Amino acid sequence: GAGVSQSPRYKVTKRGQDVALRCDPISGHVSLYWYRQALGQGPEFLTYFNYEAQQDKSGLPNDRFSAERPEGSISTLTIQRTEQRDSAMYRCASSLVSGEDTIYFGEGSWLTVV
Amino acid sequence: GENVEQHPSTLSVQEGDSAVIKCTYSDSASNYFPWYKQELGKGPQLIIDIRSNVGEKKDQRIAVTLNKTAKHFSLHITETQPEDSAVYFCAAKVTGGGNKLTFGTGTQLKVEL
Repeated sequence: GAGVSQSPRYKVTKRGQDVALRCDPISGHVSLYWYRQALGQGPEFLTYFNYEAQQDKSGLPNDRFSAERPEGSISTLTIQRTEQRDSAMYRCASSLVSGEDTIYFGEGSWLTVV
Repeated sequence: GENVEQHPSTLSVQEGDSAVIKCTYSDSASNYFPWYKQELGKGPQLIIDIRSNVGEKKDQRIAVTLNKTAKHFSLHITETQPEDSAVYFCAAKVTGGGNKLTFGTGTQLKVEL
């Protein structure tokens, strides 16, 4: 696609429910990143993939958070048993090649846990 | 890990004036310093970047300076225009840290007519 596409753009869920956020990177981009951005803060790294391999998941807050990219293209970030503190903007980004400095962000998925 | 501090958190300037945003970083191994502009409802967009082997880079009305010794870098916008109004984020990347960018907390720039 022309840009990084994320869905849903807005999600309201009840505490305790599982949520899946989807990212479709720019076509042909090897690397895919997930960041979380709280209101009034900068994006915070969660995890990233090269192709289908998860290279670094050190930013995932706890084991309720997981991500996958099974075919090296679309990625899903899953949050199990959501809590109110999970409410934030979740941003996906991609880059053309592994190690490329320039990354392109999507418009994000705004998650509200009530 | 890397820590990036950004100041000021808000900045209001008159159209045509200059704006300066400053960031400091903690890890001397960082070698890449991008600046992102985030407009309302949009994702961050890269506007300029600098690597540790240069001290200054300019692109039309925007410029970035880097002082490795002091571990700080700055964004300069000259002849500001209303469309420059946005939130600006600085970031730093540690050598060998994959593409794990550490961002500052952002500066809300408002350019007033």
